[in-house]
Amino acid sequence: EDKVVQSPLSLVVHEGDTVTLNCSYEVTNFRSLLWYKQEKKAPTFLFMLTSSGIEKKSGRLSSILDKKELFSILNITATQTGDSAVYLCAAVHTGNQFYFGTGTSLTVIP
Amino acid sequence: NAGVTQTPKFRVLKTGQSMTLLCAQDMNHEYMYWYRQDPGMGLRLIHYSVGEGTTAKGEVPDGYNVSRLKKQNFLLGLESAAPSQTSVYFCASTRGWLADNEQFFGPGTRLTVL
Repeated sequence: EDKVVQSPLSLVVHEGDTVTLNCSYEVTNFRSLLWYKQEKKAPTFLFMLTSSGIEKKSGRLSSILDKKELFSILNITATQTGDSAVYLCAAVHTGNQFYFGTGTSLTVIP
Repeated sequence: NAGVTQTPKFRVLKTGQSMTLLCAQDMNHEYMYWYRQDPGMGLRLIHYSVGEGTTAKGEVPDGYNVSRLKKQNFLLGLESAAPSQTSVYFCASTRGWLADNEQFFGPGTRLTVL
C-alpha cells in the first residue's frame, strides 16, 4: 500500500530557531516529491524534488530528496512567526496520483 | 488569470440532500483532482480526471460522483449526503502527465452535513 509518513506531527519553536521536517514515502512507480505550506486556507506549493541529492532552496527554506532511503527533509532556518503553518509533503506516482502525508504543524513563537 | 476557483465556499446540508461542487480552472490544465481534508487526516484523493470526458476513482470515492464534460470544469456530486462527508473539499489541477507536477489548489469548500 502506498503511503507517506511525516514527522514530527507537531513542533513548537522560538523565532530564530532552525527546524527540520521529515517525510518518508513508500510509493510504487515514484516520480517526484512535493512540499506544500498550508495556513488557514488551501495548500501553496513550495518545492518539487525529482532527483536525489540535489538541494532546492528558496530563501530560508531548503529541501532535499533521498531516493535510496525514500525520504525527504524540509529545512527552515531563522524561523519567523509567519512560518507557522502545516507543512504537507506528497509523493507523486508516475500516473500523476498524489499521496499526501498528514502534515507537520509548525508553531513559531516570538 | 484566476487559477483554480471553487463554488460554493460554504454549504450546510441535511442528511440525504444532494449537491454539486464546481471547480473551474483557466490554466488549460489536463489533470484535475478532488480531495477532502479532515482534521488529522491530511488530504485524501476522492476522484481525479486525466482529461475532458474521463474520470477515475481515488482513495475515498464512495458516496461521490464526478463529471468532466468540459476541460476547464470538474464537478463533484454528493447524491445523498451523510454526516461523514462533513469536510473541507479542495479541487486542484496540474498541467499534464509528463510535465512539471506543480499542483494548483482552489480555496476550498467547507461542507457541513447535519
